Amino acid sequence: AQKVTQAQTEISVVEKEDVTLDCVYETRDTTYYLFWYKQPPSGELVFLIRRNSFDEQNEISGRYSWNFQKSTSSFNFTITASQVVDSAVYFCALWMDSSYKLIFGSGTRLLVRP
Amino acid sequence: EAGVTQFPSHSVIEKGQTVTLRCDPISGHDNLYWYRRVMGKEIKFLLHFVKESKQDESGMPNNRFLAERTGGTYSTLKVQPAELEDSGVYFCASSPSQGNTEAFFGQGTRLTVV
Repeated sequence: AQKVTQAQTEISVVEKEDVTLDCVYETRDTTYYLFWYKQPPSGELVFLIRRNSFDEQNEISGRYSWNFQKSTSSFNFTITASQVVDSAVYFCALWMDSSYKLIFGSGTRLLVRP
Repeated sequence: EAGVTQFPSHSVIEKGQTVTLRCDPISGHDNLYWYRRVMGKEIKFLLHFVKESKQDESGMPNNRFLAERTGGTYSTLKVQPAELEDSGVYFCASSPSQGNTEAFFGQGTRLTVV
């Protein structure tokens, strides 16, 4: 079965705090891709990152970093020194060539308070 | 370059009425997808077009939903007759030729059935 679980429904932090959004996935495929998307209040889904199953290197992009661990089937997302503009719903998603579609988690709503 | 465009951005209709959602993908993208997020749950796949052909429509909830992509350009998703449980945000996404996993999403259409 293919599934993405984002156990945190909502997280609230104060500006400048670090915050980690969890993502756990299930798949039997050996080749797959993991994604994070951001949905700001304006509604659109904004692509943040794509990672393939053969690349377990962590990635950092500015205040954003991602930790991919195949051993635990997790692809967690950390925002360092959070800002109010980071407030949004964040979705983790899984793509497999066998199904050719994205499977999304239920999303985590992040609220960054000033 | 224009992104994925969806129209309308918001639609409120009564139960039993018909609504048609439109998606204009990025020019040249053969792959077009429809997804739906209902009641704050996960974003679920509805169907996938490759040019004008339906590649996968396994996510279509029932025969009240009809998707078309005549000419392989824009796509429409018609709901007839609409039911209360159809309320949600309908996302369209497009991606280039097969093999490219990055899907570009539109801003979504928020459908409210009352």
